[in-house]
Amino acid sequence: GAGVSQSPSNKVTEKGKDVELRCDPISGHTALYWYRQRLGQGLEFLIYFQGNSAPDKSGLPSDRFSAERTGESVSTLTIQRTQQEDSAVYLCASSLWGSGTNEQFFGPGTRLTVL
Amino acid sequence: DQQVKQNSPSLSVQEGRISILNCDYTNSMFDYFLWYKKYPAEGPTFLISISSIKDKNEDGRFTVFLNKSAKHLSLHIVPSQPGDSAVYFCAASPMGGGNKLTFGTGTQLKVEL
Repeated sequence: GAGVSQSPSNKVTEKGKDVELRCDPISGHTALYWYRQRLGQGLEFLIYFQGNSAPDKSGLPSDRFSAERTGESVSTLTIQRTQQEDSAVYLCASSLWGSGTNEQFFGPGTRLTVL
Repeated sequence: DQQVKQNSPSLSVQEGRISILNCDYTNSMFDYFLWYKKYPAEGPTFLISISSIKDKNEDGRFTVFLNKSAKHLSLHIVPSQPGDSAVYFCAASPMGGGNKLTFGTGTQLKVEL
């Protein structure tokens, strides 16, 4: 079966522009996560969706960041007025709620470069 | 505040020998731990996990050890193979499915011929 997919794989943008990143989770996975990895750093949690519950936005670094998810499918992460410090690889993951483990399946990521 | 720490940014091991990757954590609420492996330009892939009710979990060449009192875990790979060369991330979460993971900064493992 298909894994988690993300698009675009690479995005170069100018400072101040808005960008939208897309994630398609594994079919049937009810939980969806966004992380980012800056150069030389570990993965940093951004936001988490679970079913129809209110998302956990506790990791979003500023109000320029927002994310939406349609039901239990596609999610988009939007960064408004991008800054150079937003440059990172943005990773999406999904998992099966109630599986008893926290195993999350990751997509290949979107590499964002803000010039 | 780095709640999950991997103090060795890199490790080099000869093929066939044991690789030992270490991880320390500070948050007492963590009770589920995972190791992920990451190749360049790919997302992390799950390797092995351990719950705090255990002190060891083994899966083929991979064994994870947990020392709760020391808040320390380690991943042992025996025997190491060139294909194991990758970045290894330690991650932790409170028990229960669906919780956000807190990751360490990773250890680059290089297995040499």
